[in-house]
Amino acid sequence: DAKTTQPNSMESNEEEPVHLPCNHSTISGTDYIHWYRQLPSQGPEYVIHGLTSNVNNRMASLAIAEDRKSSTLILHRATLRDAAVYYCILRDYNNNDMRFGAGTRLTVKP
Amino acid sequence: ETGVTQTPRHLVMGMTNKKSLKCEQHLGHNAMYWYKQSAKKPLELMFVYNFKEQTENNSVPSRFSPECPNSSHLFLHLHTLQPEDSALYLCASSLDRGEPNSGANVLTFGAGSRLTVL
Repeated sequence: DAKTTQPNSMESNEEEPVHLPCNHSTISGTDYIHWYRQLPSQGPEYVIHGLTSNVNNRMASLAIAEDRKSSTLILHRATLRDAAVYYCILRDYNNNDMRFGAGTRLTVKP
Repeated sequence: ETGVTQTPRHLVMGMTNKKSLKCEQHLGHNAMYWYKQSAKKPLELMFVYNFKEQTENNSVPSRFSPECPNSSHLFLHLHTLQPEDSALYLCASSLDRGEPNSGANVLTFGAGSRLTVL
């Protein structure tokens, strides 16, 4: 199974951009890259996903390396409410693998 | 409110009790999942149902028994649990799985049921 590697923790200042990295060197050609986040005392929530091209939505941007072996979740202006654990997950073409790693705990300082 | 509702939110039970966790979604999704989240550990996938059929059981002890009567409801029946089973149990749903391009389908999670086994 393709796996992901993320830093255990990161810190950011409020209203500054945050770049959360994810390495997935064993990704297959048909794996989708998904990002979820889990706020304190809540279930995980979907953030963004992509296959090959960079993606933008109202929450974040996803930058995918040309070789697809890594990706970066970009929060353009971090707020205190963005403090959460962020998970990078690979999901195969037929959606048969949706396993979470340890994620990155993001702390946002005022 | 995410569209996936879990009840109860909190449950305390003794090791000899029998209880059930309930999950309900009206998002039109056909795949439903149970995850376990223990303190300081990643989410562990327990069971997966697709169109009411169980498609995955990740070596979960038999004291956990899932039931999926229809695509909108998922239960986790609990009996003879151990204190180490205390955790947050999360339910999720997605449009489907196993179909081409279903890897793009996102998971919608409930808020979880916090279980404490005494």
